[in-house]
Amino acid sequence: AQSVSQHNHHVILSEAASLELGCNYSYGGTVNLFWYVQYPGQHLQLLLKYFSGDPLVKGIKGFEAEFIKSKFSFNLRKPSVQWSDTAEYFCAVRGTGRRALTFGSGTRLQVQP
Amino acid sequence: GAGVSQSPSNKVTEKGKDVELRCDPISGHTALYWYRQRLGQGLEFLIYFQGNSAPDKSGLPSDRFSAERTGGSVSTLTIQRTQQEDSAVYLCASSLGAGEGNQPQHFGDGTRLSIL
Repeated sequence: AQSVSQHNHHVILSEAASLELGCNYSYGGTVNLFWYVQYPGQHLQLLLKYFSGDPLVKGIKGFEAEFIKSKFSFNLRKPSVQWSDTAEYFCAVRGTGRRALTFGSGTRLQVQP
Repeated sequence: GAGVSQSPSNKVTEKGKDVELRCDPISGHTALYWYRQRLGQGLEFLIYFQGNSAPDKSGLPSDRFSAERTGGSVSTLTIQRTQQEDSAVYLCASSLGAGEGNQPQHFGDGTRLSIL
């Protein structure tokens, strides 16, 4: 079975601080990895995804994530956060051959102006 | 609209009643997923439809839960004899196809279900 762990449940940062949100997964085979974001009052949106190739993936709004296969990790980063980045962030994994995503429990990011 | 549409947005009902939740996927999307998100938790997969294939029901938590997809488009999730633990946000997502994971899922706003 596949599982996803997000160890940071609630993160509070000041504007311009750097961000790194942890994501570790458990699955024995090849995976596709995703980060979704849910801004207050909005639906889940895809932030970035990794399928294959360069393990450093760049997404929208200056976010990036690095797939480290040996650590089963896919951490999300942003060099300088803005107040508008306040949202909940979900890491998700899908094993190849499977259809549905397995989500982590989410990390609530609060950016203070 | 261009996105996944779910209705109702909120539903409050008494324990023991049946409820139906509706999902209109993005036009042309052949894959449709239902997820559940309980308070403070991640999304749990419930059921998946792909074209005319038999649905993957492996995530349904009990036989009180069922779903159908008519004409390859609109889907209805039915919960019979609701229990308080069914309270959650029910999210629908659609994608162009399941493929090998190359098609991202687009989510609706969800239905917030509250069982009294």
